[in-house]
Amino acid sequence: DGGITQSPKYLFRKEGQNVTLSCEQNLNHDAMYWYRQDPGQGLRLIYYSQIVNDFQKGDIAEGYSVSREKKESFPLTVTSAQKNPTAFYLCASSIGVSGNTIYFGEGSWLTVV
Amino acid sequence: AQSVTQLGSHVSVSEGALVLLRCNYSSSVPPYLFWYVQYPNQGLQLLLKYTSAATLVKGINGFEAEFKKSETSFHLTKPSAHMSDAAEYFCAVSDPNNDMRFGAGTRLTVKP
Repeated sequence: DGGITQSPKYLFRKEGQNVTLSCEQNLNHDAMYWYRQDPGQGLRLIYYSQIVNDFQKGDIAEGYSVSREKKESFPLTVTSAQKNPTAFYLCASSIGVSGNTIYFGEGSWLTVV
Repeated sequence: AQSVTQLGSHVSVSEGALVLLRCNYSSSVPPYLFWYVQYPNQGLQLLLKYTSAATLVKGINGFEAEFKKSETSFHLTKPSAHMSDAAEYFCAVSDPNNDMRFGAGTRLTVKP
């Protein structure tokens, strides 16, 4: 089945560690996104990528990094510089950035311990 | 830049009652409008999408939304709530020139 796969579903991180969240899609979409969702709040855009080897900062990029070496993959690294990383992270994709339906993965919970 | 405002962070209805979730948008060009639903610990699922065809859009699970340009609104309705409708609902706006922007969400509670 076509879709977006995020892993792991739950991840625990010690303070000062970098962690990487995986996102893979087999929808042949050009655009991919990472959003952060805090309890009771909406979605905030971290990074997005319109094509391979290109990505742009979203509204809250500080403390995060991404890469887009393959069309189907868009991993997100939460670095130690992110002061409050505990949140629900959602990966998404769409045919293009403007005016298109965005499809979401199941999300990953990151908790700092 | 476009934006979305969802009126009411929490809505509570009784099972069988009308569901009305409000969304107002701001866009300088004709928008594309979306409603998504999110169940606990899951991603967002598309309920319906407006793209300048019919102003009344029917979606999954018996939901529908009406685009009203004069009111800049895209409210989501369902005639009769079911317990399984309890979830968080997000309105979103996009257009050919800009990426998608989401509202803050409305949590729907359905009482038995």
